[in-house]
Amino acid sequence: QQPVQSPQAVILREGEDAVINCSSSKALYSVHWYRQKHGEAPVFLMILLKGGEQKGHEKISASFNEKKQQSSLYLTASQLSYSGTYFCGTGRGSGNTPLVFGKGTRLSVIA
Amino acid sequence: DGGITQSPKYLFRKEGQNVTLSCEQNLNHDAMYWYRQDPGQGLRLIYYSQIVNDFQKGDIAEGYSVSREKKESFPLTVTSAQKNPTAFYLCASSTSSLAGLPNTQYFGPGTRLTVL
Repeated sequence: QQPVQSPQAVILREGEDAVINCSSSKALYSVHWYRQKHGEAPVFLMILLKGGEQKGHEKISASFNEKKQQSSLYLTASQLSYSGTYFCGTGRGSGNTPLVFGKGTRLSVIA
Repeated sequence: DGGITQSPKYLFRKEGQNVTLSCEQNLNHDAMYWYRQDPGQGLRLIYYSQIVNDFQKGDIAEGYSVSREKKESFPLTVTSAQKNPTAFYLCASSTSSLAGLPNTQYFGPGTRLTVL
């Protein structure tokens, strides 16, 4: 089942914060976050495994709540370079399985 | 430099013609994947292969075929049976995991296929 991302799009001014959510109707084993610039390949940001952990990457961090079957990506003090489409991908099982991706959240950071 | 290459970057074909998209990786990854991306749809899995000489259908395999004769190569053929082939095609790879843990998938630069 495809995970649901929200919001679909968001516009921020430089320095503002944003939260992107990824929810699944099925049990989550892993959540993978990617950012894609227009016409380019998705770039890996971080992977979260079952266990409710939180991870960080520069000023971008994420949490994973397996009880709620959701993950959230936090972008703090946004920069122009953060613009792009963010995708969450969820594992289809507990092992090294292909991912099911959400439809993406388009983030635009303006000066 | 290690990475995943896809060629060509842009491809134009006439309706009814088969076309093969190339994907090569020198990361020594065991698993390889093909995804299709349409505007507003996210990435959808076409085929994947976890070891050489073995592959499985993904969610939208109809009209596509693959082969995995070498570890580093996973070409995708878009056949004339694919009703709407115009899309952005992304290849990815990941290591296998003896511990059974999920591994990061790394993507190639993509091929944009346009069928005229």
